[in-house]
Amino acid sequence: SQQGEEDPQALSIQEGENATMNCSYKTSINNLQWYRQNSGRGLVHLILIRSNEREKHSGRLRVTLDTSKKSSSLLITASRAADTASYFCASPHPDTGFQKLVFGTGTRLLVSP
Amino acid sequence: DAGVTQSPTHLIKTRGQQVTLRCSPKSGHDTVSWYQQALGQGPQFIFQYYEEEERQRGNFPDRFSGHQFPNYSSELNVNALLLGDSALYLCASSTLDLAGKIQETQYFGPGTRLLVL
Repeated sequence: SQQGEEDPQALSIQEGENATMNCSYKTSINNLQWYRQNSGRGLVHLILIRSNEREKHSGRLRVTLDTSKKSSSLLITASRAADTASYFCASPHPDTGFQKLVFGTGTRLLVSP
Repeated sequence: DAGVTQSPTHLIKTRGQQVTLRCSPKSGHDTVSWYQQALGQGPQFIFQYYEEEERQRGNFPDRFSGHQFPNYSSELNVNALLLGDSALYLCASSTLDLAGKIQETQYFGPGTRLLVL
């Protein structure tokens, strides 16, 4: 079963625009992570935000976490064509001692030149 | 510093056959997890190995088995292949945090794409 649900499922923007994608999750979390996947290849870890953090930045990425709403958002500023990829949120499942990551269904981002 | 490597990159099998996929974890990592990603879906956890033992298992049948070697590398075996086993199989490595309990960031390999005909 999926822990997270990303929204929107697909997003199409122009280079230079900002892209925002959201993730809602079901159970309590210790941390929430965002991953990028290019063309069905391996996942690249982007950023991890812990449950006691509300916002985190990494380069052009900004992640927020609202544990009261069980939601997170990923903002990519000044997008580039190279940002075209699928983006997934994931969190360690608490019932398993945090030993497995449970992923959402992903947002497919297309950035056009 | 080598990242996570997987072999082969692509594989084509027929129904009923058996397949073995291989993974070498990132240097310094001792825990290996396997995920199955069907087309258009997020990865689904299969199982995790630590100290050569299966620590945790997802909702996958016994046809899916694994092994971890003393050098921390791992194999995923799937028996009696079904058409529905066609997917991208991802290996991820990690290590424990300072408290020795919670897994932090997992590093993924490029995956093995399996097609079952």
